Amino acid sequence: DAGVTQSPTHLIKTRGQQVTLRCSPKSGHDTVSWYQQALGQGPQFIFQYYEEEERQRGNFPDRFSGHQFPNYSSELNVNALLLGDSALYLCASSLPRRWDTQYFGPGTRLTVL
Amino acid sequence: RKEVEQDPGPFNVPEGATVAFNCTYSNSASQSFFWYRQDCRKEPKLLMSVYSSGNEDGRFTAQLNRASQYISLLIRDSKLSDSATYLCVVNDRGSTLGRLYFGRGTQLTVWP
Repeated sequence: DAGVTQSPTHLIKTRGQQVTLRCSPKSGHDTVSWYQQALGQGPQFIFQYYEEEERQRGNFPDRFSGHQFPNYSSELNVNALLLGDSALYLCASSLPRRWDTQYFGPGTRLTVL
Repeated sequence: RKEVEQDPGPFNVPEGATVAFNCTYSNSASQSFFWYRQDCRKEPKLLMSVYSSGNEDGRFTAQLNRASQYISLLIRDSKLSDSATYLCVVNDRGSTLGRLYFGRGTQLTVWP
């Protein structure tokens, strides 16, 4: 049984560019949450998708947007990249109605130059 | 004020030592509590859930004090493989769907 998968593993972009990160949840999971983890910090909640809709959002600007597909996979898009967007981006999935227990993917390490 | 505050660490202990981590949370409506472990440059992995009655998993014991809004993790007989960052995590069940709030983590290094 595959766990949560994310792509790409690493990404280097320059300021002002746009990036799309991808996530496939564990089998049987229908909810996907995205987190940003800066160096030396704990993960910070970006948003959560359930039934193809953004259900909750953390304190992130509109430059951060997402999508969930009918197969429950999800994308995170970041526009107009800033140096401060450099971080590990983590995707987590959870079972139907078990939103408190989340399983994380290996993350995408984004570097903005 | 941050949702979850943890001991800053780092903790450096010899093999076989007992080490305790603490954290506090600010939202009294929080319903679910966890400890996650994160190895260097890896994803967080669920170590254990924390219940009011306290729970134990081998060498690991977690405690929750709702009145003080305080969570602890005790590791007995530390192993080299316990070296990692330990994240205190709280779930906000006040909303329809839960979201996780993470502390900044406490780094543990176990030396031979």
